[in-house]
Amino acid sequence: AQSVTQPDIHITVSEGASLELRCNYSYGATPYLFWYVQSPGQGLQLLLKYFSGDTLVQGIKGFEAEFKRSQSSFNLRKPSVHWSDAAEYFCAVGGYNFNKFYFGSGTKLNVKP
Amino acid sequence: GAVVSQHPSWVICKSGTSVKIECRSLDFQATTMFWYRQFPKQSLMLMATSNEGSKATYEQGVEKDKFLINHASLTLSTLTVTSAHPEDSSFYICSANKKGKGHNEQFFGPGTRLTVL
Repeated sequence: AQSVTQPDIHITVSEGASLELRCNYSYGATPYLFWYVQSPGQGLQLLLKYFSGDTLVQGIKGFEAEFKRSQSSFNLRKPSVHWSDAAEYFCAVGGYNFNKFYFGSGTKLNVKP
Repeated sequence: GAVVSQHPSWVICKSGTSVKIECRSLDFQATTMFWYRQFPKQSLMLMATSNEGSKATYEQGVEKDKFLINHASLTLSTLTVTSAHPEDSSFYICSANKKGKGHNEQFFGPGTRLTVL
């Protein structure tokens, strides 16, 4: 069965510190992987995506993610967090043509000054 | 670009009334659109897949008579919550598939917050 797991519900980091948000997936075919960010009351903004090729993908706002097929993971990283990064982050997986799109439960990021 | 809009952005209605939410792809044609529901502090759950010119495909547990979906054109899908009740209060988000080279991409609307009194 297809699923996405984000094991961390809440994460708090200090401003300027590094960040890693975990994402594990289960998918029966070649996965297309995504990270989205959602601010309170807002829609989703795409941070980055992985379709194929280089397993380390760069996104907007200084985020990057690494696809590790052997671990079924697609963790999101940022070397130095800014206060404006405080939001909820969702990992998602879809197949070719994205007829089904599965979201993780989300990780809420708090940033300490 | 690929922009998806939703209207209204928020709506408050009385219990028992029906509410229609529109999802539009502004600069591309979308043969397939999706409707998601997000409860407070929870993830997005796919409700249904909307295909232009045909009946929507609903996920298990979603009442199709409660949530009417119409995909009248390649740029418009509507979700009607019929006889809304307070438990239908939620954040509804649509997305639209855009055909690309070798694969499609999904673009999300900004969401519609529904509050049923």
